[in-house]
Amino acid sequence: ETGVTQTPRHLVMGMTNKKSLKCEQHLGHNAMYWYKQSAKKPLELMFVYSLEERVENNSVPSRFSPECPNSSHLFLHLHTLQPEDSALYLCASSHEAVLLGHEQFFGPGTRLTVL
Amino acid sequence: GQQVMQIPQYQHVQEGEDFTTYCNSSTTLSNIQWYKQRPGGHPVFLIQLVKSGEVKKQKRLTFQFGEAKKNSSLHITATQTTDVGTYFCAGPGGAQKLVFGQGTRLTINP
Repeated sequence: ETGVTQTPRHLVMGMTNKKSLKCEQHLGHNAMYWYKQSAKKPLELMFVYSLEERVENNSVPSRFSPECPNSSHLFLHLHTLQPEDSALYLCASSHEAVLLGHEQFFGPGTRLTVL
Repeated sequence: GQQVMQIPQYQHVQEGEDFTTYCNSSTTLSNIQWYKQRPGGHPVFLIQLVKSGEVKKQKRLTFQFGEAKKNSSLHITATQTTDVGTYFCAGPGGAQKLVFGQGTRLTINP
């Protein structure tokens, strides 16, 4: 499946590093999402963008900074992370508003390890 | 806020046995979606239910939406090793977001 791509697939970073995760969707969707998935918790929604505007920010610490330059690209900028931020970060996209019942297409994820 | 509870958290079965996972929402849902995540993979959409009491089938998988639109179930008949993975239900939690259940992790003894 190549509808939603994410890079890098794996990332190891120190707590003082700055890195960025990239997501690209080739489906012509208007909404994009960042999720965090860790071993102990279900899928946690982090951010939602609709038509390049952030419409949801789920009380995410400021060390995570999203950016959506256009409807096809989504970034998650990381700085001064903590070891507990180690997780699988999943990007997803959907056609329109979730309330209308549009399925979400997930990317393969970035496995992040913070040392 | 809205919560979606899913049980059981884990289920281990012998190949050929049936499997069921249940999903309960604290609020009435306009629709419910089901996703499957294979080990090492990412969630993949399976199906969406919209109508009260709706039942949909995909081969050996049967999905139900409760009459009150607050619960749902996924039943797999005669499991196969390819069914291994984590099954998530998800419902709308606002205009632009899905609230996912904790997932049921299915493992199968061949």
